[in-house]
Amino acid sequence: EVQLVESGGGVVRPGGSLRLSCAASGFTFDDYGMSWVRQAPGKGLEWVSGINWNGGSTGYADSVKGRFTISRDNAKNSLYLQMNSLRAEDTALYHCARRSGYHEDYMDVWGKGTTVTVSS
Amino acid sequence: SYVLTQPPSVSVAPGKTARITCGGNNIGSKSVHWYQQKPGQAPVLVIYYDSDRPSGIPERFSGSNSGNTATLTISRVEAGDEADYYCQVWDSSSDHPVFGTGTKVTVL
Repeated sequence: EVQLVESGGGVVRPGGSLRLSCAASGFTFDDYGMSWVRQAPGKGLEWVSGINWNGGSTGYADSVKGRFTISRDNAKNSLYLQMNSLRAEDTALYHCARRSGYHEDYMDVWGKGTTVTVSS
Repeated sequence: SYVLTQPPSVSVAPGKTARITCGGNNIGSKSVHWYQQKPGQAPVLVIYYDSDRPSGIPERFSGSNSGNTATLTISRVEAGDEADYYCQVWDSSSDHPVFGTGTKVTVL
């Protein structure tokens, strides 16, 4: 079964850091680019960051650029999101998602998400 | 960055047809993907590349895209179709994906 399972969420104070992980199974991980997408409580989907199959190309939403770092370990079938200088507005459910397609990619597999709460 | 506008809500009676629009500047020149999200669940891809359906998605779900509007159509609506729906495109200027504002579909 193709599956993505996120972990690492929690409660953190403003200015703090967290590292999210996403464990992939059921497919050849290094054949795919990956993304992180978040959803603030009661709000819509917001793309956060993406990475290509080998980690050689990354991208970030303006809202997190300079504070978040995406990475992957293909030997461990894992995706990561290092989040620093966290703000209240980063509070959200964070999903990892598999990117597919030959251009203008879509996200065909999603994890259930891990919750990040930034609060003093 | 590129903006995608969806109606906040659409209501439809069981057995009828629901149409959810996604507006964007010259969106017809882009590929549009659609996701369904039920409460407490992860999003599910229901349409990709404007009108293709992933395996396991009922034929009742279809998509079209032209001009400044893309449309997700759900025929013979069922109670289980009640969910939030999001469109998504790739913004070439920023080189990243963009999601629409989302539409809540209510089955009456």
